[in-house]
Amino acid sequence: EPEVTQTPSHQVTQMGQEVILRCVPISNHLYFYWYRQILGQKVEFLVSFYNNEISEKSEIFDDQFSVERPDGSNFTLKIRSTKLEDSAMYFCASSERMETQYFGPGTRLLVL
Amino acid sequence: GNSVTQMEGPVTLSEEAFLTINCTYTATGYPSLFWYVQYPGEGLQLLLKATKADDKGSNKGFEATYRKETTSFHLEKGSVQVSDSAVYFCALTRNTGGFKTIFGAGTRLFVKA
Repeated sequence: EPEVTQTPSHQVTQMGQEVILRCVPISNHLYFYWYRQILGQKVEFLVSFYNNEISEKSEIFDDQFSVERPDGSNFTLKIRSTKLEDSAMYFCASSERMETQYFGPGTRLLVL
Repeated sequence: GNSVTQMEGPVTLSEEAFLTINCTYTATGYPSLFWYVQYPGEGLQLLLKATKADDKGSNKGFEATYRKETTSFHLEKGSVQVSDSAVYFCALTRNTGGFKTIFGAGTRLFVKA
């Protein structure tokens, strides 16, 4: 069964450093998403992406964040200058059409 | 706005007990409703879904019925197993221009042998 994959599984970085989180969505999917889950809290929407542009973003997704689909298979989330409060589990998701989103295993980001 | 409220946990049950995790939602229009499960140390797995009123989603013995009149989507299972121990998230998806999914806070289930 096809699945969403994410790399790395864990990332430790220093405050102020840039990180890039990578995702390979399911191959025939057209909609891509990033979510995050701060430890012990609910899963929060960050951004959705369709047809090579952002279709919606939350208030969390400020100028420090960007997304890109650099080729036909990868979907990346970049955090330009990480802050302590960016420490969280980041989930990528994809969907073929509208509703049903399939999630990757997550990247656990720790900012020191 | 759109939101999901689910019962607080943790819920602790003995094996073979009946499980109900309550979920209610607030949304304009007709959202699609989902239950996701997160096993310890893992990501989010889609458990079941319902896309319109009165639909019943089911998978692995779990069921939930989309009740528009009560804006609810309660998760049930007749006989839980130790392996069902996980965090369960109720969620909805609306077309707000990007089909984002809005999650409830999650309910942790512990099943004792």
